[in-house]
Amino acid sequence: GEDVEQSLFLSVREGDSSVINCTYTDSSSTYLYWYKQEPGAGLQLLTYIFSNMDMKQDQRLTVLLNKKDKHLSLRIADTQTGDSAIYFCAERSPDEKLTFGTGTRLTIIP
Amino acid sequence: ETGVTQTPRHLVMGMTNKKSLKCEQHLGHNAMYWYKQSAKKPLELMFVYNFKEQTENNSVPSRFSPECPNSSHLFLHLHTLQPEDSALYLCASSQDRTSGSDTQYFGPGTRLTVL
Repeated sequence: GEDVEQSLFLSVREGDSSVINCTYTDSSSTYLYWYKQEPGAGLQLLTYIFSNMDMKQDQRLTVLLNKKDKHLSLRIADTQTGDSAIYFCAERSPDEKLTFGTGTRLTIIP
Repeated sequence: ETGVTQTPRHLVMGMTNKKSLKCEQHLGHNAMYWYKQSAKKPLELMFVYNFKEQTENNSVPSRFSPECPNSSHLFLHLHTLQPEDSALYLCASSQDRTSGSDTQYFGPGTRLTVL
């Protein structure tokens, strides 16, 4: 079955770049997503990338996809305190199932 | 704001109670989902409705009963729950489950505690 893995924790100094990594096992994934969950809130869609792309940039966010290694990353430039949250990677299979990772808790160090 | 609302935001119930969670989406979507988020576990998909028809039930115990009266509303009826059912229950919606570029949008969740 599908499996999506992420590191549980990441600490980054304010102003630095954050890189959150994700690996997945389903080579037939069609789309890959990054969601952000702030305390007490639901999941907010940040960005997504189609599986035939290798990079997508949206303001401070850069998504890199290495399909050969089944590795997805989210880079947040100039990390701010408001970026503190749990970040979930998710992959979508051809049968429309969405599989989420366990999430990476990003902590910003002042 | 996500366009997906959930009520109540917090719920505490005993094991013998009956309660319902409500989800409403204002995005004109046709698919709605219930997920369970437990600590240190990936999100678990519970139910999927597409155009008001239930298309998935991922081996969810019968003490959870979904209802989708129309494309904008989704309910999760709860009865005789167990303490291990305590979790954050997230509702999501998307345009069309079968569309190639379908993207899910989530509500804020209902934090459920079963005593």
